[in-house]
Amino acid sequence: DAGVIQSPRHEVTEMGQEVTLRCKPISGHNSLFWYRQTMMRGLELLIYFNNNVPIDDSGMPEDRFSAKMPNASFSTLKIQPSEPRDSAVYFCASTPREGHTEAFFGQGTRLTVV
Amino acid sequence: AQSVAQPEDQVNVAEGNPLTVKCTYSVSGNPYLFWYVQYPNRGLQFLLKYITGDNLVKGSYGFEAEFNKSQTSFHLKKPSALVSDSALYFCAVRGASGTYKYIFGTGTRLKVLA
Repeated sequence: DAGVIQSPRHEVTEMGQEVTLRCKPISGHNSLFWYRQTMMRGLELLIYFNNNVPIDDSGMPEDRFSAKMPNASFSTLKIQPSEPRDSAVYFCASTPREGHTEAFFGQGTRLTVV
Repeated sequence: AQSVAQPEDQVNVAEGNPLTVKCTYSVSGNPYLFWYVQYPNRGLQFLLKYITGDNLVKGSYGFEAEFNKSQTSFHLKKPSALVSDSALYFCAVRGASGTYKYIFGTGTRLKVLA
């Protein structure tokens, strides 16, 4: 398996523009997580899905952020409109539903909003 | 609520010396505990996990971790550090009953000095 695949790897956009980050989880994994990593706040859980259903979105910073998982093999994280403080590395991770398994992370998308 | 604390932002150790990276946790019920490593511009890589059983867990690259229930700790250790071990290390907890969120600590930067 190719692992968790995220695209793009790097994104530079202007303030106010819409940004869409994409994630393809490992085939057969039922849970998917979106994390944001910054120097100031470390690794924050934004939202996670079980069987394509959002279970906990309490980490989504504000209404400008939204996430979808239309099927088991694809998820998006959208920021509209983007702001400079959204600049961070965004990670997607997936795992089988069983609680004792580790999460598998993608390589991340480095977002820069100028 | 689940939480993880990594009390040291940075740990410096001489090559060949033993290393310890500290982690304490708080979770309802029995925890699932994980250590991950992050190299520059990369995603998080799984090192080892504690689910149940033997309190000393062995993982990748010669790392091991000791689970201590009374102290709610899960410290990462290696008998002899290598310069190539220099990286950012994250401890994570996942509740064993019901919740599927992985909560990460703030990370500890390990520097192994030649």
